[in-house]
Amino acid sequence: GAVVSQHPSWVICKSGTSVKIECRSLDFQATTMFWYRQFPKQSLMLMATSNEGSKATYEQGVEKDKFLINHASLTLSTLTVTSAHPEDSSFYICSARDIRSANYGYTFGSGTRLTVV
Amino acid sequence: KQEVTQIPAALSVPEGENLVLNCSFTDSAIYNLQWFRQDPGKGLTSLLLIQSSQREQTSGRLNASLDKSSGRSTLYIAASQPGDSATYLCAGANQAGTALIFGKGTTLSVSS
Repeated sequence: GAVVSQHPSWVICKSGTSVKIECRSLDFQATTMFWYRQFPKQSLMLMATSNEGSKATYEQGVEKDKFLINHASLTLSTLTVTSAHPEDSSFYICSARDIRSANYGYTFGSGTRLTVV
Repeated sequence: KQEVTQIPAALSVPEGENLVLNCSFTDSAIYNLQWFRQDPGKGLTSLLLIQSSQREQTSGRLNASLDKSSGRSTLYIAASQPGDSATYLCAGANQAGTALIFGKGTTLSVSS
């Protein structure tokens, strides 16, 4: 089945630094990937839709200059948290859909736990 | 915009019980609905996907149904086991290629 690899699985960074998270579709091409954020004991909130070769579409309330998304190839999308602050500490998870799949389901990466100290 | 609601928020049952988790969505023009399982501190595991043209899907002890007219989906777990303890998330997409919108989940605890 479709596999989405997300890296790193966890990261601790100092306040003010930037962190890049990678999301790769391993065995399929994904023209669209999705980035979510999950705070403790809460559900997944869609942050943005990443489109290959074009600008990402951000959800209301998500700062595009803070959460930089790049989707330079059909198998890779990156999320960079710029000038991270403790309030950015969260679980970030990406998703893609393999349209070749008979069931057209969504596959999720294993997530990245970001802690900003 | 699609909104997804799940009830109950938490559920505790003894091992062996059959149980139903509920999910409701506001926009009946749903393209597909997917149920996931999430263990504490982990990512998502897809359980069942129901396309808009389908009414139910089954996998082992799990059965999910979709009623677009009433805006509801249910996840039925038969003969629950302690290993079923996790948070179950319901998510729907309105169009092919658009993002899944998630409910807040139901946290299930099955005691032995």
